[in-house]
Amino acid sequence: AQKITQTQPGMFVQEKEAVTLDCTYDTSDQSYGLFWYKQPSSGEMIFLIYQGSYDEQNATEGRYSLNFQKARKSANLVISASQLGDSAMYFCAMRDGNNRLAFGKGNQVVVIP
Amino acid sequence: NAGVTQTPKFQVLKTGQSMTLQCAQDMNHEYMSWYRQDPGMGLRLIHYSVGAGITDQGEVPNGYNVSRSTTEDFPLRLLSAAPSQTSVYFCASRPRGVQNQNTEAFFGQGTRLTVV
Repeated sequence: AQKITQTQPGMFVQEKEAVTLDCTYDTSDQSYGLFWYKQPSSGEMIFLIYQGSYDEQNATEGRYSLNFQKARKSANLVISASQLGDSAMYFCAMRDGNNRLAFGKGNQVVVIP
Repeated sequence: NAGVTQTPKFQVLKTGQSMTLQCAQDMNHEYMSWYRQDPGMGLRLIHYSVGAGITDQGEVPNGYNVSRSTTEDFPLRLLSAAPSQTSVYFCASRPRGVQNQNTEAFFGQGTRLTVV
């Protein structure tokens, strides 16, 4: 069974600073995909960024970048220049070889002015 | 663009009652899934479907049934509600894609279910 681990406690980050959210995964599949989603207090799930297991370069989407270290099975999310609107729960997810999408338990981020 | 539509948004059930959570998508996505979200547990996969007529169990399937008679609809049935099924339920859909392709999941707005 696949497993996604997010172990950081709630994080406080100063506005305009960068924050890194850790995610490690466990899979025996060669082909898989890694995703990060944001869930603000309003509850909706917002897709942020994707990394394929065969992608050689780290994914970037605006202020979001994914630090993909395949050998270590880690896919950390980096949010640069934090904004107050970044306060939310962040979930790491993995699509396995059977196309199931499984989520970690999430990281809570609070951006303080 | 409607995307993924879940109904109802809120529901209170008595223990032992049955009900169906509706999910519909208009993006012609092959894959659809149901998740439940509980505090500190993230999103856990209940059931999923890779196409019309095909369903499979996820991580926490007990107490739930699904069917996929059309590409668009993927209802989740609670057979006999229990307080342990109090949760927020999300339906998601995504395209099949090809190997290594970004196939992001699109989520409904969620259904907050309380079983008393």
